[in-house]
Amino acid sequence: EAGVVQSPRYKIIEKKQPVAFWCNPISGHNTLYWYRQNLGQGPELLIRYENEEAVDDSQLPKDRFSAERLKGVDSTLKIQPAELGDSAVYLCASSRTGNVDNEQFFGPGTRLTVL
Amino acid sequence: GDSVTQMEGPVTLSEEAFLTINCTYTATGYPSLFWYVQYPGEGLQLLLKATKADDKGSNKGFEATYRKETTSFHLEKGSVQVSDSAVYFCALRDRNQAGTALIFGKGTTLSVSS
Repeated sequence: EAGVVQSPRYKIIEKKQPVAFWCNPISGHNTLYWYRQNLGQGPELLIRYENEEAVDDSQLPKDRFSAERLKGVDSTLKIQPAELGDSAVYLCASSRTGNVDNEQFFGPGTRLTVL
Repeated sequence: GDSVTQMEGPVTLSEEAFLTINCTYTATGYPSLFWYVQYPGEGLQLLLKATKADDKGSNKGFEATYRKETTSFHLEKGSVQVSDSAVYFCALRDRNQAGTALIFGKGTTLSVSS
């Protein structure tokens, strides 16, 4: 079974530029998460999807961040415009739906550097 | 809100030494507790978990016991190996609703030398 796929693995951009990250979850996993991991910190949730519905986006900075999961499978996270403080690793995770004990599986992450 | 506090690193040990990484939590309910591991250049992997008080999670020689009375979930291993060098994250998740996100500690870096 393929794991969670993310691309790109690394991205370097100038501040004020836009950037997008892509995630393909494990097949059959209807719940998808985007986390941000700052250097020396644990991951923190940005947004959670159940199928194509964003059910928890309370931590997403909506002035510059947006996300979509149009067909309930792949998801894209966008930042526009990027700021220096957005430098971090962006992690995508997925899980099956319906059981509180379903495991979350993480992708390798996208390391973003904003110059 | 719910939170996780784990011991500061880095932790540096010699091979075959005993390992303890402390983790305490604050939660309004009775969460599930987890240890995740991040090896160099790899993604987060679930190491072990416990879903209720007094449960012991174990995997690859690592163990942790869910202690409700002390709100703790300390990670232990009797004899570490060089291959255990990684960053370890303690995490919790609310059990009141399926699919809720994990809340992580800051991570503890373990370095094991031969």
